[in-house]
Amino acid sequence: QQQVKQSPQSLIVQKGGISIINCAYENTAFDYFPWYQQFPGKGPALLIAIRPDVSEKKEGRFTISFNKSAKQFSLHIMDSQPGDSATYFCAASMEVLTGGGNKLTFGTGTQLKVEL
Amino acid sequence: NAGVTQTPKFRILKIGQSMTLQCTQDMNHNYMYWYRQDPGMGLKLIYYSVGAGITDKGEVPNGYNVSRSTTEDFPLRLELAAPSQTSVYFCASSYRPGPTGEQYFGPGTRLTVT
Repeated sequence: QQQVKQSPQSLIVQKGGISIINCAYENTAFDYFPWYQQFPGKGPALLIAIRPDVSEKKEGRFTISFNKSAKQFSLHIMDSQPGDSATYFCAASMEVLTGGGNKLTFGTGTQLKVEL
Repeated sequence: NAGVTQTPKFRILKIGQSMTLQCTQDMNHNYMYWYRQDPGMGLKLIYYSVGAGITDKGEVPNGYNVSRSTTEDFPLRLELAAPSQTSVYFCASSYRPGPTGEQYFGPGTRLTVT
């Protein structure tokens, strides 16, 4: 059961353009929504995250838009650069693990390529 | 700080062999996690630990075992390797409990079982 659905699977954007990646979740118990960026041969790294009581969060060129009623959230990368070429994973987090750890449920990933 | 380190980077196993994937973090994080990443899929949680001596199962624990004798180390053991365990394995750690605890990932171990 895929609890976090992510699209598109791959995306090609011209330098300077806007990259948009969408995610949808099913479980309303999720209470934190991070995005991770992964370069080839590396582990994922936290890029930006949002709480469900906020509709938008912006950090530099990266913005998360969050629609709680639709159970959807998206990542917008403004002025996309070749250095942004990576795989992006949305995730949803909830504190269900014994002892306080958080369980991350990941989307299937989007391979972004920014062309010159 | 080296962060989260994993060894080996690559490994090829024959069916039925055993091995241990090593994970060490030098950030004094209590929470540690093992994930596997299959092509075209998101990461899935195998096991996690909330402190030395405490471990529990994640989504896909079958075929794996873990131990946590120190805060720093969280090895993952494969006892009887099967082709279905061909994957990239990531170890992660976090310092803050609750849903907002950022997880820091290691560089991964690429395992092939033939």
